[in-house]
Amino acid sequence: QSALTQPPSASGSPGQSVTISCTGTSSDVGGYNYVSWYQQHPGKAPKLMIYEVSKRPSGVPDRFSGSKSGNTASLTVSGLQAEDEADYYCSSYAGSTVVFGGGTKLTVL
Amino acid sequence: QVQLVQSGAEVKKPGASVKVSCKASGYTFTGYYMHWVRQAPGQGLEWMGWINPNSGGTNYAQKFQGRVTMTRDTSISTAYMELSRLRSDDTAVYYCARDPGRSGWPADLDYWGQGTLVTVSS
Repeated sequence: QSALTQPPSASGSPGQSVTISCTGTSSDVGGYNYVSWYQQHPGKAPKLMIYEVSKRPSGVPDRFSGSKSGNTASLTVSGLQAEDEADYYCSSYAGSTVVFGGGTKLTVL
Repeated sequence: QVQLVQSGAEVKKPGASVKVSCKASGYTFTGYYMHWVRQAPGQGLEWMGWINPNSGGTNYAQKFQGRVTMTRDTSISTAYMELSRLRSDDTAVYYCARDPGRSGWPADLDYWGQGTLVTVSS
């Protein structure tokens, strides 16, 4: 199972919006509506930010949103804040297994 | 509140085995699948597999088939991940993570342990 493809880096200024993509295949991202996004700060465990493509767990700000088109999912962070600077990983159900993306380092300029 | 508390850091020699524990509290242990995910230094997340704590059933990533064993002890609400025939590239932080089972598929992980650093070095 190959990893999902994410850009290694993304950046934006405070208050701006940034979108991170996550490209898979019809066997994972494109085949199921089970894409998740995780935020990871240095030295910390990942935190679930989005599940089932676009749903937010309780406590996650609505500045974080998710979508999907075909084999590509996206995470959009609106109204960027300094604390959003972190690594972001997508994952997808892939037929009884799970596959992660390579991660994107989001820098708030 | 849900908590997953993992065992401490380990240093192992190549060829040895390591067993990491993950003690769950704050919820019914047997009601939720547990996944294991690892992260090599400076690298991304890598899914290793899951265990159904109720039945003991498992599903491992193909990469780890034959080297990984996931078990559980329901009497103490603890899941275990054992990796054998360790190599230097197994050096990583190993996480356990709970699957909320929203959909019946292994789709997302809502609570994570603090991670256990396993260092493989001669």
